[in-house]
Amino acid sequence: SQTIHQWPATLVQPVGSPLSLECTVEGTSNPNLYWYRQAAGRGLQLLFYSVGIGQISSEVPQNLSASRPQDRQFILSSKKLLLSDSGFYLCAGTGGYNSPLHFGNGTRLTVT
Amino acid sequence: TQLLEQSPQFLSIQEGENLTVYCNSSSVFSSLQWYRQEPGEGPVLLVTVVTGGEVKKLKRLTFQFGDARKDSSLHITAAQTGDTGLYLCAGDEWENNNDMRFGAGTRLTVKP
Repeated sequence: SQTIHQWPATLVQPVGSPLSLECTVEGTSNPNLYWYRQAAGRGLQLLFYSVGIGQISSEVPQNLSASRPQDRQFILSSKKLLLSDSGFYLCAGTGGYNSPLHFGNGTRLTVT
Repeated sequence: TQLLEQSPQFLSIQEGENLTVYCNSSSVFSSLQWYRQEPGEGPVLLVTVVTGGEVKKLKRLTFQFGDARKDSSLHITAAQTGDTGLYLCAGDEWENNNDMRFGAGTRLTVKP
């Protein structure tokens, strides 16, 4: 079965600093990969998804970007963080059509 | 507006009561999934429904997919305190089956 590794668990960064969150996948080849952001106690907002190496679809124009340099690696980045980038970031993967999402344990980002 | 509308947003009941939460959309989905999330963790899949009109049971939980594949419901019988959590529905849109969209969730509290 698929396992999503995501780190760090918590992160405190000053405004204007860069960001790099990494997500890796075990157990599946050529997974669809997703980055979500979740406000406290609410639903998940889809930020980016990728169906393959170098293929990124962006759902919401914002201060963030994503990259997929390898089949099982998905990276969320920012050049300069804003206060509004604070939140709970979740990486997820699926084996494809109609397959369930498997989530990492999330990264709690606080921008100060 | 959300692609998937969940209701109610919050629900607080006593242990032993029954409840139903809803997930509605104007879009057609190839599948709908229900997840349960604990604070500080990633969502965990409960069930996937794929066929219009499908009913699936998972112990005290009953899931139904609408005939038109636009809506779903989750019914819990004799709720327990361990059922407390955030319940999220997610859909794989028929016309774009690579992006998994989530509803805003139903926050369920079961009191002893």
